[in-house]
Amino acid sequence: DTAVSQTPKYLVTQMGNDKSIKCEQNLGHDTMYWYKQDSKKFLKIMFSYNNKELIINETVPNRFSPKSPDKAHLNLHINSLELGDSAVYFCASSPGRGTHNEQFFGPGTRLTVL
Amino acid sequence: TQLLEQSPQFLSIQEGENLTVYCNSSSVFSSLQWYRQEPGEGPVLLVTVVTGGEVKKLKRLTFQFGDARKDSSLHITAAQPGDTGLYLCAGVTTDSWGKLQFGAGTQVVVTP
Repeated sequence: DTAVSQTPKYLVTQMGNDKSIKCEQNLGHDTMYWYKQDSKKFLKIMFSYNNKELIINETVPNRFSPKSPDKAHLNLHINSLELGDSAVYFCASSPGRGTHNEQFFGPGTRLTVL
Repeated sequence: TQLLEQSPQFLSIQEGENLTVYCNSSSVFSSLQWYRQEPGEGPVLLVTVVTGGEVKKLKRLTFQFGDARKDSSLHITAAQPGDTGLYLCAGVTTDSWGKLQFGAGTQVVVTP
């Protein structure tokens, strides 16, 4: 059984388009995250939700909007895509507050903006 | 400026050799984690260290947390090609939500 799943795996699109990435976890975790991994492999947190509530919102352009319909799902919508948005986006989950926040990552979505 | 500095950035060794990867910071962390990432996949948690001076072993991998909880090291004994991957350290901050800060990673390549 897949613990953290993301769709799509690959996303190729034109500049200016709007796209969404979906994430689901079946681990029963309370907290979910979006990370961006750039071409140098640096992994940077973007957002975190705990039980559908936004708890971490790093310095991310407001073209990026996360949505958590329930604690098992965290989607990422990106408006007006730019070349610099090209990266691999990882969804992750963790048991949440009071733990060591050990992360369980999805397989990633490679976004290429042309 | 990254909170966690990893060194070296890249390491290429022959099968059977030993290697050590370092993760350093000027900040104190409540815990530190090590992940391994293979191409096309997400990082996978290897270990969490919590107590200053703690040493944990996972088969041929030995993890150490510094006494002051500011640094850590990963030592691999008799490396095998299956150890090839990007090794990431990540520290948990002491704020209420324990945000994870990642190092830039060390790419390890073990050739047969």
